[in-house]
Amino acid sequence: NAGVTQTPKFQVLKTGQSMTLQCAQDMNHEYMSWYRQDPGMGLRLIHYSVGAGITDQGEVPNGYNVSRSTTEDFPLRLLSAAPSQTSVYFCASSYSGTLEPLHFGNGTRLTVT
Amino acid sequence: AQSVTQPDIHITVSEGASLELRCNYSYGATPYLFWYVQSPGQGLQLLLKYFSGDTLVQGIKGFEAEFKRSQSSFNLRKPSVHWSDAAEYFCAVGARANAGKSTFGDGTTLTVKP
Repeated sequence: NAGVTQTPKFQVLKTGQSMTLQCAQDMNHEYMSWYRQDPGMGLRLIHYSVGAGITDQGEVPNGYNVSRSTTEDFPLRLLSAAPSQTSVYFCASSYSGTLEPLHFGNGTRLTVT
Repeated sequence: AQSVTQPDIHITVSEGASLELRCNYSYGATPYLFWYVQSPGQGLQLLLKYFSGDTLVQGIKGFEAEFKRSQSSFNLRKPSVHWSDAAEYFCAVGARANAGKSTFGDGTTLTVKP
């Protein structure tokens, strides 16, 4: 029972490069979301999805893109990486939304130089 | 919009001592409240949740929390702390009017002295 799986665990990018952070869940959860965690700032919501084909913006969406073609997968794309995007990124899911407990992946630590 | 405040950035307690971590929320209706714990290098794990009913809720690892509507608080407690409880703790709120968005506090780091 894998739960929420994030890959890669670590990534270093140069400014301007693009990449995709992968997130997959095997719990048949409809709701999935991406957060970034920065020291002293808690978790901030980037994008979320309430089901396949449906996405919406969170608190800090600029510079990130998402899509949800399947229930299982919710990739996060950085179109042109900037040093301000250096952070730890967490993917989370729940059965139907944020009125239920979220299940978190173990995070991706991204450094942009 | 909802908001969450965790007033204590860092708390240090001795092993065996009692613990209380504070959480205050702002939301007009009945909130859905959660406490999560994050060990170093790991994702967040649910400790407990409050949706309705009994205002004192029990969670995993011996933790409990009390919902006080009059104080807009949801403080986390443990009667006797173990060294393995050292971690970062997050309070979060969800709301029916905004069911796609959870709001997290900035977290409280707990250090346990031997």
